[in-house]
Amino acid sequence: ETGVTQTPRHLVMGMTNKKSLKCEQHLGHNAMYWYKQSAKKPLELMFVYNFKEQTENNSVPSRFSPECPNSSHLFLHLHTLQPEDSALYLCASSQVTGTSGWETQYFGPGTRLLVL
Amino acid sequence: KQEVTQIPAALSVPEGENLVLNCSFTDSAIYNLQWFRQDPGKGLTSLLLIQSSQREQTSGRLNASLDKSSGRSTLYIAASQPGDSATYLCAPTNNNAGNMLTFGGGTRLMVKP
Repeated sequence: ETGVTQTPRHLVMGMTNKKSLKCEQHLGHNAMYWYKQSAKKPLELMFVYNFKEQTENNSVPSRFSPECPNSSHLFLHLHTLQPEDSALYLCASSQVTGTSGWETQYFGPGTRLLVL
Repeated sequence: KQEVTQIPAALSVPEGENLVLNCSFTDSAIYNLQWFRQDPGKGLTSLLLIQSSQREQTSGRLNASLDKSSGRSTLYIAASQPGDSATYLCAPTNNNAGNMLTFGGGTRLMVKP
């Protein structure tokens, strides 16, 4: 247990569905992240939230929409996805101190998404 | 743009061997570098974090070294055990990239009893 939980753990959805992935961290961190891990590709950063504000959007298509209502919760809203979006989606959190203090990121177990 | 390469991509060894996993990165202006472990279908577990001013870090049977100027890091695993079987990922953080990690493709390790 890393202190980062993700639900659901598995999700199957059609291309016309709308679903949301949820991440919660119990570590008191102030930064949260979404990553995508596809087969045969390195882990890719999607979004970064520092102090509840989105600071990075790594050229992610608009069919992925993040939401960070508070420093402990992070959502990824999904709509009209494509089969190539099938992947393991990982959430992480860390403590950011000042302008240059980035500490270890702690990862959740991931949501395995299959888009049919 | 930072690019990270890990060699070998896969490795299978008998139990008890000492191992070296390699990581190279193209942009040496890094703030720190982390090594992670990932078990199949699971999230990542941080193993070691080396600050850019450090040469190495040790945790139990694991030792990670960093040569920032040449863009290289190695993870040394002593006396490998079947429980070490997993994928090992390295991820540098660049000075100008805030808290963004760039991951390599990983080394998939199998330690046979």
